[in-house]
Amino acid sequence: KAGVTQTPRYLIKTRGQQVTLSCSPISGHRSVSWYQQTPGQGLQFLFEYFSETQRNKGNFPGRFSGRQFSNSRSEMNVSTLELGDSALYLCASSDLRDGANVLTFGAGSRLTVL
Amino acid sequence: TQLLKQSPQFLSIQEGENLTVYCNSSSVFSSLQWYRQEPGEGPVLLVTVVTGGEVKKLKRLTFQFGDARKDSSLHITAAQPGDTGLYLCAGAQGAQKLVFGQGTRLTINP
Repeated sequence: KAGVTQTPRYLIKTRGQQVTLSCSPISGHRSVSWYQQTPGQGLQFLFEYFSETQRNKGNFPGRFSGRQFSNSRSEMNVSTLELGDSALYLCASSDLRDGANVLTFGAGSRLTVL
Repeated sequence: TQLLKQSPQFLSIQEGENLTVYCNSSSVFSSLQWYRQEPGEGPVLLVTVVTGGEVKKLKRLTFQFGDARKDSSLHITAAQPGDTGLYLCAGAQGAQKLVFGQGTRLTINP
């Protein structure tokens, strides 16, 4: 079973630009979550999609958006990039295991904003 | 405000020593998970604990969920260099949302 695939793995942007990150979940998983990871804040929840609908949203500004397609692949977009958006963006697909929602993460997309 | 507080944040010990990492909160969680993350990779699930007081063992790793389901601990016996990594606890709030602690960066020196 292929894992969660995120592209691109690394990218560099400048302030004011926008970026789109892509995530392909494990086959059969319909839920995709996005997290931002920084040294200072740790893993912060961005949003979660299930069957093309946003089911949960974290406390991020409207510059951060996402969507999910009918094949469960997901994209997230960050507009008007700021220096503080530099981070590792992690996507995870999930299934139920031992009665709990368990995340399988991709390797992440490391974004550097100059 | 960090909902889940992990301690210590950094830990560097010699191979063969024992260690315990703590994950504390004032909130109750329906379940708690522990992940390990290595450089250049995403976090990988180690264990899920669901019942208050539950203890789970994974080889040299022992995980415990507090009776009140507000805290958890991870104990490693006879640590090895391969245990090096960032250890993250995550509490489930509701059916889908996971809240992560800031992590404990563990280094095991040969």
